[in-house]
Amino acid sequence: DTGVSQDPRHKITKRGQNVTFRCDPISEHNRLYWYRQTLGQGPEFLTYFQNEAQLEKSRLLSDRFSAERPKGSFSTLEIQRTEQGDSAMYLCASSSATGGWEETQYFGPGTRLLVL
Amino acid sequence: DAKTTQPPSMDCAEGRAANLPCNHSTISGNEYVYWYRQIHSQGPQYIIHGLKNNETNEMASLIITEDRKSSTLILPHATLRDTAVYYCIVRTPTSGTYKYIFGTGTRLKVLA
Repeated sequence: DTGVSQDPRHKITKRGQNVTFRCDPISEHNRLYWYRQTLGQGPEFLTYFQNEAQLEKSRLLSDRFSAERPKGSFSTLEIQRTEQGDSAMYLCASSSATGGWEETQYFGPGTRLLVL
Repeated sequence: DAKTTQPPSMDCAEGRAANLPCNHSTISGNEYVYWYRQIHSQGPQYIIHGLKNNETNEMASLIITEDRKSSTLILPHATLRDTAVYYCIVRTPTSGTYKYIFGTGTRLKVLA
């Protein structure tokens, strides 16, 4: 399978704990995106990387959230001191800059976080 | 901030064509329309995209009006597996790439 993969698929944690999610993009894709999706809503953009550079962050990304893509391949999203409001599906997507006008994002299966 | 408006839900009989409308009246000349669907508990799946011409692939057809203010996604022979939430997105340039701003989508239910 050469699609976007995410790990873990499900995470249950207690309020105040730190969690980290991993995303592996499609191998030739140099752009990587994180989105968050709450129940009944469409995904909301969080942040975007081109190679290892984080080029845009949404105002939704509070100080407790940090994302990295150290070697321009996989990415991690860490949430510190989790709150119940962080419960959501966290989606990763990737795309290739060589797509030009036809550039399309492909999504992974998501990590579903539940904060108790 | 979503640039699109879709009906919240639709039903379609199995084997019939499903026509999902989308309004995007503020679309700019170089903004593409993208369609994705999301089956329960999975990530969004790319379906099709277009700029101004009608497009067809193995999954669906996309009809864009001449003024580009609306479009329709057509699933020609809906099956039970097409039951999902369908998102119409206007792809917006940002920071050297493109941002997707999702709305709440249309929940399509295919009935046996």
